[in-house]
Amino acid sequence: GNSVTQMEGPVTLSEEAFLTINCTYTATGYPSLFWYVQYPGEGLQLLLKATKADDKGSNKGFEATYRKETTSFHLEKGSVQVSDSAVYFCALSERSGNNNDMRFGAGTRLTVKP
Amino acid sequence: DSGVTQTPKHLITATGQRVTLRCSPRSGDLSVYWYQQSLDQGLQFLIQYYNGEERAKGNILERFSAQQFPDLHSELNLSSLELGDSALYFCASSVGQDSYEQYFGPGTRLTVT
Repeated sequence: GNSVTQMEGPVTLSEEAFLTINCTYTATGYPSLFWYVQYPGEGLQLLLKATKADDKGSNKGFEATYRKETTSFHLEKGSVQVSDSAVYFCALSERSGNNNDMRFGAGTRLTVKP
Repeated sequence: DSGVTQTPKHLITATGQRVTLRCSPRSGDLSVYWYQQSLDQGLQFLIQYYNGEERAKGNILERFSAQQFPDLHSELNLSSLELGDSALYFCASSVGQDSYEQYFGPGTRLTVT
């Protein structure tokens, strides 16, 4: 079945450091891929998405490229801020008829220190 | 504030009981999604409704059911509760039936004792 594996946290970085959170997936077809962010005490927010191979999703300085050859969707940001501290979830969605196989990774907690 | 509201915020109940969680989507959104977030299972998609009709099913147990009413609010019913049902239940909404831009509510924390 479909699955998402993302790097275990927690990740602790200093402000302005480079961020990479690895995400790989297993899918039977051609899923869409997402990164969601969850700030403390809140629900998830869609950060970025990519719906087909080689698409690059980007938002708020974060980027991720849909790599079909390596089945990966790694999240990157060139210079993190304290306000980026949150839990990040990689996810995939594959529709088949009335079924929506939406899978989330376990989440990676990021802490950015000033 | 995403505009999605969920009630109650916290719920404590005993095994074997039945509870109802309520969600009001953002104004104008026609789709409602339900998710379960637990420590051992992570975040799981349960079910989606679009304009009152069931649109997609995920890993929803038979003991669980949901519906979406004409005013577009949705309820998730959990019955014959087990300890393992303790989790954070999120509702999300979106404009269309296949929209990935979902807006999440703050969640309902269910504790089964």
